[in-house]
Amino acid sequence: EAGVVQSPRYKIIEKKQPVAFWCNPISGHNTLYWYLQNLGQGPELLIRYENEEAVDDSQLPKDRFSAERLKGVDSTLKIQPAELGDSAVYLCASSLGGADTGELFFGEGSRLTVL
Amino acid sequence: KQEVTQIPAALSVPEGENLVLNCSFTDSAIYNLQWFRQDPGKGLTSLLLIQSSQREQTSGRLNASLDKSSGRSTLYIAASQPGDSATYLCAVNGNQFYFGTGTSLTVIP
Repeated sequence: EAGVVQSPRYKIIEKKQPVAFWCNPISGHNTLYWYLQNLGQGPELLIRYENEEAVDDSQLPKDRFSAERLKGVDSTLKIQPAELGDSAVYLCASSLGGADTGELFFGEGSRLTVL
Repeated sequence: KQEVTQIPAALSVPEGENLVLNCSFTDSAIYNLQWFRQDPGKGLTSLLLIQSSQREQTSGRLNASLDKSSGRSTLYIAASQPGDSATYLCAVNGNQFYFGTGTSLTVIP
């Protein structure tokens, strides 16, 4: 069974440029998460989807970040414009069932460097 | 907000030693707790998931315990191997998953 797939693995951009990350969750997992991980820290939630609905986006900086999960399967996270402080690893995770029951499975992450 | 603390931040042990990693949390109203390992430059790999009604879970050389009332979980690794070297993170699930900052484990051959 394929795991959570993310792309690109690495992205280097200049500040003020846009960037997008893509995630395909494990087949059948209805809950999808985007996390941000800074060096030496644990992941922090950006947004959680149940099917195609964003049920928790309270920690997503909506002035520059956006996300979508059309058709309730794969998802895209976008940053526009990127700032130096956005350099981090962006992790996607999925789980079967809601936030109260599901075991989290993570992708390899997308490492963003903003110059 | 849930606060998750992992102690120690780093640990170095000789191969073959048994060891315990600690995770503490401030809010006992949780659904479950999950332990992960993370290798450098990689994503998180799930090790064990303990539901709030459970006391422990075992997988191979790993045993995780949960004491919800005291806000503590431990991950016990038996007969450590160099391949166990990684960062171990715990995540506590209440209304969302809150992660600790991890324990960086080095197993010396």
